[in-house]
Amino acid sequence: EVQLVESGGGLVQPGMSLRLSCAASEFTFDDYAMHWVRQVPGKGLEWVSGVSWNSGIIGYGDSVKGRFSISRDNRKTSLYLQMNSLRPEDTAWYFCAKSGLPYVSGKTWFDIWGQGTLVTVSS
Amino acid sequence: DIQMTQSPSSLSASVGDRVTITCRASQTINKYLNWYQQKPGRAPKLLIYETSSLQSGVPSRFSGSGSETEFTLTISSLQPEDSATYFCQQSYTVPLFTFGPGTKVAIK
Repeated sequence: EVQLVESGGGLVQPGMSLRLSCAASEFTFDDYAMHWVRQVPGKGLEWVSGVSWNSGIIGYGDSVKGRFSISRDNRKTSLYLQMNSLRPEDTAWYFCAKSGLPYVSGKTWFDIWGQGTLVTVSS
Repeated sequence: DIQMTQSPSSLSASVGDRVTITCRASQTINKYLNWYQQKPGRAPKLLIYETSSLQSGVPSRFSGSGSETEFTLTISSLQPEDSATYFCQQSYTVPLFTFGPGTKVAIK
């Protein structure tokens, strides 16, 4: 079964850092762009960041640009999100998601999602 | 940046009703509009991609239409399990994606 499993969430103080991981299985990971999407509990979805299949194209949402860094390790079939200078407004569920089309970075959809990992930024 | 809006923000309908949700983009996005369903405590689930293509395994009562800046998601005969929040998403801008604010569908 195609699966994404996030980990690394938790409680962190403002200004601190956290690294999220997403382990992928049962699909050819290095063919697909991957993304992070977050959701404040009870609110809407916000695209955070995406990375192309070969890490050649990377994008960030305006609210995290300069603070968050996305990366991937195709040998380990894993996606990462390094979150620095965390703020209380970064508190959310963080989902990783797989692009629906191989080899493209846009004009696609997210066909597989992980179950999410909760990040809480609070003193 | 492309902004997405949805209407209504919430609705309540009876089992068997036809339900329509509208999504608008602040500029043309061609056909690059996707729809997701999310139930409480669960990850979003892809329903429709590229305006009107039904994702595998999604019931045929779900359909999508539209183009350029205005799109609709239709549930032809609402079922109890369709109680959820529905989000549209534009994928026109590479590599940026934007979601709509969501429409909560409740069963009367």
